[in-house]
Amino acid sequence: DIQMTQSPSTLSTSVGDRVTITCRASQSISTWLAWYQQKPGKAPKLLIYKASSLESGVPSRFSGSGSGTEFTLTISSLQPDDFATYYCQQYNSYSLTFGGGTKVEIK
Amino acid sequence: EVQLVESGGGLVQPGGSLRLSCTASGFIFSSHWMNWVRQAPGKGLEWVANINQDGSVKHYVDSVKGRFTISRDNAKNSLYLQMDSLKTEDTAVYYCARHPGDQSALFDYWGQGTLATVSS
Repeated sequence: DIQMTQSPSTLSTSVGDRVTITCRASQSISTWLAWYQQKPGKAPKLLIYKASSLESGVPSRFSGSGSGTEFTLTISSLQPDDFATYYCQQYNSYSLTFGGGTKVEIK
Repeated sequence: EVQLVESGGGLVQPGGSLRLSCTASGFIFSSHWMNWVRQAPGKGLEWVANINQDGSVKHYVDSVKGRFTISRDNAKNSLYLQMDSLKTEDTAVYYCARHPGDQSALFDYWGQGTLATVSS
């Protein structure tokens, strides 16, 4: 199975900051990568697919990049609604696997 | 509006069984692969199983193979997860989730989840 490793696990930051989260795959997954946002007690929400495509309705401050084994999710200017946990997921091959998550919290 | 509503969670003893259901609306259910994804308390997300449009192809994570069975009834717009030989480590919120119409194996819509607790 492909292992997905996210860093950092926790990010303490402030409104207006630029935030970058990294996701590394244990082998190449081309651009078959998605990013999700999850708030406490809620289901995850799809943000980015195919590494860099923005899901409909997601604010343009979210962007994704990367290919192969290294990927990033960037939030250009953090808003109060963005404090949440973020997960990457590879869909190159089975078993479908997620990163361990990055919690973005208020500094 | 796409809606996925899970039910069937509850408390069960180790070794017991539980059957989860997911009722879909707002889209053509029979056109989409469907999934179960779980999240143990305070932990990350783990994909459990998926099933293709007519139920002829199924995939499972290794940790549930031989114990869990995914199925669907397109006439009832429903997805199921039969969970047998349950272990304490199966305790989690179980989400029903959809693959998009292009059959990419990502999850574009999720239900609100149902909690299955395995404990003596």
